Amino acid sequence: DAMVIQNPRYQVTQFGKPVTLSCSQTLNHNVMYWYQQKSSQAPKLLFHYYDKDFNNEADTPDNFQSRRPNTSFCFLDIRSPGLGDAAMYLCATSRDYQETQYFGPGTRLLVL
Amino acid sequence: ELKVEQNPLFLSMQEGKNYTIYCNYSTTSDRLYWYRQDPGKSLESLFVLLSNGAVKQEGRLMASLDTKARLSTLHITAAVHDLSATYFCAVDMRSEKLVFGKGTKLTVNP
Repeated sequence: DAMVIQNPRYQVTQFGKPVTLSCSQTLNHNVMYWYQQKSSQAPKLLFHYYDKDFNNEADTPDNFQSRRPNTSFCFLDIRSPGLGDAAMYLCATSRDYQETQYFGPGTRLLVL
Repeated sequence: ELKVEQNPLFLSMQEGKNYTIYCNYSTTSDRLYWYRQDPGKSLESLFVLLSNGAVKQEGRLMASLDTKARLSTLHITAAVHDLSATYFCAVDMRSEKLVFGKGTKLTVNP
């Protein structure tokens, strides 16, 4: 089945220790998104790629970076995680803009 | 700036009852999504509504869109426990991204 896969599903890191979350897709979609979702809140868009074109949301902290080395993979790097970065991180893909976004299972990040 | 408001934010209902969740948005858009999220899980796409007057139904859930009123509704018919989840509406900004409502946490009690 075509799908969006995220690894790891759970990640525990220490305050200030860099962490990388990964997302892969078999849908061959052009657009990949990263969202942050904190408890009982709506998902918040961090950034997205259309193919290799990167688009950063204005209020995404510099602490968050992303890479998309090819169509299938996208990475979220948190350079120095703080306690406030503990959240669920969701990857989503869509064939094009203004088309349905399909979400991966998410990575739950805990910062100690 | 597009704003999306859902009402209610919390909904506790009994099995077998009907209820409606409302999603209002502030600027023109003609594409609206409903997603479901179970606790600790990701978002599952339920419906995409593409035009004024669009109505879609899946099981006990029916979604509609009125672009003139900037309103979408998600109607629950004869609720069952399995429908307990958080439901998000998300509005397409005619650009690259969606704007989500805050979500409605639905609890269906026996």
